[in-house]
Amino acid sequence: DTGVSQNPRHKITKRGQNVTFRCDPISEHNRLYWYRQTLGQGPEFLTYFQNEAQLEKSRLLSDRFSAERPKGSFSTLEIQRTEQGDSAMYLCASSLGSRAGQPQHFGDGTRLSIL
Amino acid sequence: GENVEQHPSTLSVQEGDSAVIKCTYSDSASNYFPWYKQELGKRPQLIIDIRSNVGEKKDQRIAVTLNKTAKHFSLHITETQPEDSAVYFCAPEGGQNFVFGPGTRLSVLP
Repeated sequence: DTGVSQNPRHKITKRGQNVTFRCDPISEHNRLYWYRQTLGQGPEFLTYFQNEAQLEKSRLLSDRFSAERPKGSFSTLEIQRTEQGDSAMYLCASSLGSRAGQPQHFGDGTRLSIL
Repeated sequence: GENVEQHPSTLSVQEGDSAVIKCTYSDSASNYFPWYKQELGKRPQLIIDIRSNVGEKKDQRIAVTLNKTAKHFSLHITETQPEDSAVYFCAPEGGQNFVFGPGTRLSVLP
């Protein structure tokens, strides 16, 4: 399967701990997106990359969140000092091309639970 | 920022009937209009999209219509089947806005 891959699928951690998620996009896709989804809601945009450059970051994203895509391939999303409100599904998506308006292909997500 | 709404929020139809979901948006710069389907516990998947230079697009039982002047586009599903039951999201896009609508839960009753 050459789709978008996310690891881990589930993460349970205590409040205050740091967590890191990984996303491997479809290989030829140069855009990569991170979203957060809570139950009953639509995906909420966090940030996106064009190759290795982080081009946009949601104002909703606190400074506890950071994302990287060092070589323009896989990406990591780190949450520091986790809080109860961080519990959610974190989705990664990728798309082809450098212009806007391309279909996004989603991974299965990483479900984060904060105890 | 972009304000995206969907109506209705829930929709129940009898198998074989048609379903229509409407998405309204605020950003006049939006030029790409996709619909995603998300089944329970699964990833969102694109089912159909349309660009601003086209008014309507059809793919078998699914169609999308766009009214750019009024800033809305609609998803039409004909001859609904139980496997159409899911949550549907619109995600109008322009520039660096990546905003998903709140979703419409469609239930197809046998």
